[in-house]
Amino acid sequence: SAVISQKPSRDICQRGTSLTIQCQVDSQVTMMFWYRQQPGQSLTLIATANQGSEATYESGFVIDKFPISRPNLTFSTLTVSNMSPEDSSIYLCSANLGRWEAFFGQGTRLTVV
Amino acid sequence: DQQVKQNSPSLSVQEGRISILNCDYTNSMFDYFLWYKKYPAEGPTFLISISSIKDKNEDGRFTVFLNKSAKHLSLHIVPSQPGDSAVYFCAASSYRGSTLGRLYFGRGTQLTVWP
Repeated sequence: SAVISQKPSRDICQRGTSLTIQCQVDSQVTMMFWYRQQPGQSLTLIATANQGSEATYESGFVIDKFPISRPNLTFSTLTVSNMSPEDSSIYLCSANLGRWEAFFGQGTRLTVV
Repeated sequence: DQQVKQNSPSLSVQEGRISILNCDYTNSMFDYFLWYKKYPAEGPTFLISISSIKDKNEDGRFTVFLNKSAKHLSLHIVPSQPGDSAVYFCAASSYRGSTLGRLYFGRGTQLTVWP
C-alpha cells in the first residue's frame, strides 16, 4: 500500500498564529485532499488540491483561512491561518492511489490555546 | 447535510462473535463505498470497499454488503478480535473518469471487542 507522510503529527499553537502542515506521498498523484475531523464528528473535506491549479474549496472553507500549495505531484501543504481555539482539530491529507483506493496520512492533531 | 450516516456511535461485541456495523446514504449518485478503520493518533486505514455493481465483497474476516434499493451497507467482522477495537468509518464516492472522486464520510462507530 502507498505511504503518505504527514507532519507535524501534533502541535499546540497560540491563537492568532499560523501553522503549515506538510503532506508527502510516495508516488505521483493527480489529486490530494485535505480533511478536518473535529471531536466526535466525521471527516469533513476542506479542499481538493490539484497540481498546477488553484485548490478547490468546499462550502464553509476559504483560501484566506486555509491556503494550500501543491508544487508537484507528490507534495502539498495546508496552512491554518490566524488560528482560534475553534480550529483545534485533527487535519488529514489524503490521496487516491490506484482506481479504487484512497489513503490517508497519520493526521495532525492541532490544539489552539 | 449528512449524506452518509452511521447511526450507532458505538458497538460492543464479545471476542469470537460477529460485529455488524451499519451505514446509510442518501445520494443515489454514489457508486463506490469504502470502510476505514481508525486507531487513536493514527490516520484512517483502508479496510474494504464495494462497487455498486456488486452486493457483497469479502476479504478474510471482513465482508461488506450493499443494498442499493435501501441505500444501506453493512460491514461484518467474523470472528471479532480484540485488535479490531477501533473507530470504523463508512465512506461513499462516485467514479470520476479513471479515479475516485472525493469521499463523503459518516461520523464513525466505535467498536469495542472484549475478551
